Amino acid sequence: GAVVSQHPSRVICKSGTSVKIECRSLDFQATTMFWYRQFPKQSLMLMATSNEGSKATYEQGVEKDKFLINHASLTLSTLTVTSAHPEDSSFYICSARDWGGNTEAFFGQGTRLTVV
Amino acid sequence: AQSVAQPEDQVNVAEGNPLTVKCTYSVSGNPYLFWYVQYPNRGLQFLLKYITGDNLVKGSYGFEAEFNKSQTSFHLKKPSALVSDSALYFCAVRERATGGGNKLTFGTGTQLKVEL
Repeated sequence: GAVVSQHPSRVICKSGTSVKIECRSLDFQATTMFWYRQFPKQSLMLMATSNEGSKATYEQGVEKDKFLINHASLTLSTLTVTSAHPEDSSFYICSARDWGGNTEAFFGQGTRLTVV
Repeated sequence: AQSVAQPEDQVNVAEGNPLTVKCTYSVSGNPYLFWYVQYPNRGLQFLLKYITGDNLVKGSYGFEAEFNKSQTSFHLKKPSALVSDSALYFCAVRERATGGGNKLTFGTGTQLKVEL
């Protein structure tokens, strides 16, 4: 199947700083990528849909100024958590679909963000 | 609106015994159905999908799932469980209709524990 690479896998940052998470589709082009947040022992919550070359679509209740998404190319989307606070600590996962034919989404390895 | 229900938070089974992880769904049109597995601090791995055709779908690692339209179910099964199957399993649905959106809706997840 298609491969989605997410980096970093783990990051610890100080409160008030910003953190950037990268999501790359390695062997296919992804015009659309998805960013999820997962709390411990809970399901995935869709945060936003990242569209190549245009603004991201945010789900209700997700602060767009807090979670900046950039999808500048067909293989790369980034999520920047700005002015991070301890309550932003979570597991963030990206996914992408290969619009060439696969109907399933492929997921990155996830990023464990800890804000101290 | 589409939704997925996984009624069991945890399923325990002895190694070598068959396992079933339950999933029911709700969509307004025809569904695409998926099963994913998640190991600790990792992203989701695709297991199998139902698009159309045979109701019994075979996937990775010996898993299979049966689509039952009348019961709106898509239970995950494996004839003989392994300890290494212990993980968190997610069922997901996406509406098939054009313009129905690309969003996957996930169930709350079922923790599978396979013991010796």
